[in-house]
Amino acid sequence: SQQGEEDPQALSIQEGENATMNCSYKTSINNLQWYRQNSGRGLVHLILIRSNEREKHSGRLRVTLDTSKKSSSLLITASRAADTASYFCATAETGANNLFFGTGTRLTVIP
Amino acid sequence: EPEVTQTPSHQVTQMGQEVILRCVPISNHLYFYWYRQILGQKVEFLVSFYNNEISEKSEIFDDQFSVERPDGSNFTLKIRSTKLEDSAMYFCASSVGRSSGANVLTFGAGSRLTVL
Repeated sequence: SQQGEEDPQALSIQEGENATMNCSYKTSINNLQWYRQNSGRGLVHLILIRSNEREKHSGRLRVTLDTSKKSSSLLITASRAADTASYFCATAETGANNLFFGTGTRLTVIP
Repeated sequence: EPEVTQTPSHQVTQMGQEVILRCVPISNHLYFYWYRQILGQKVEFLVSFYNNEISEKSEIFDDQFSVERPDGSNFTLKIRSTKLEDSAMYFCASSVGRSSGANVLTFGAGSRLTVL
């Protein structure tokens, strides 16, 4: 299965702290994406990193990708209560369109 | 901002009944998807659809399931004879395509299916 695994499953931090979530996957990929899901809602795309990239930034988000270790991390800096959500990594296998999602990390940011 | 819309937001049905979940993808998108998420669990791929046919499907997408694009705007998921374990949130998504190898999905808000 292509599906990734996020680590940790749950993370609770104080507002203003940084949050780091990790994702591991199994096969070769074209790109890796991170999505956010508020409780009971649809997933929202956050950031995409291609297989030939090692790091990418978008606002308070920083994503790294290590294809040799088949892993990625998502860092949210200066967290806010509004960042409370579940975060999923998703991988796109080379040549395929569909994304396979990981198990998600549930982030709680305490005001 | 363009969005994917899904109806109904919540459907309750009896086991064995047929259910149709409807989606209106973003108008210039070419690829359409259905995913499902059992409460509190991972988001599972069901099927992708392109050029009026299924392009990929998972093991979950068995003969009980079918998809259709009956007109230029709607994309439907039919579950022929619902089982208790079909209770889940079903998400429709669409993407422009594989231009430059990037397939960013835009998701709808989901349809919650409860099978009694």
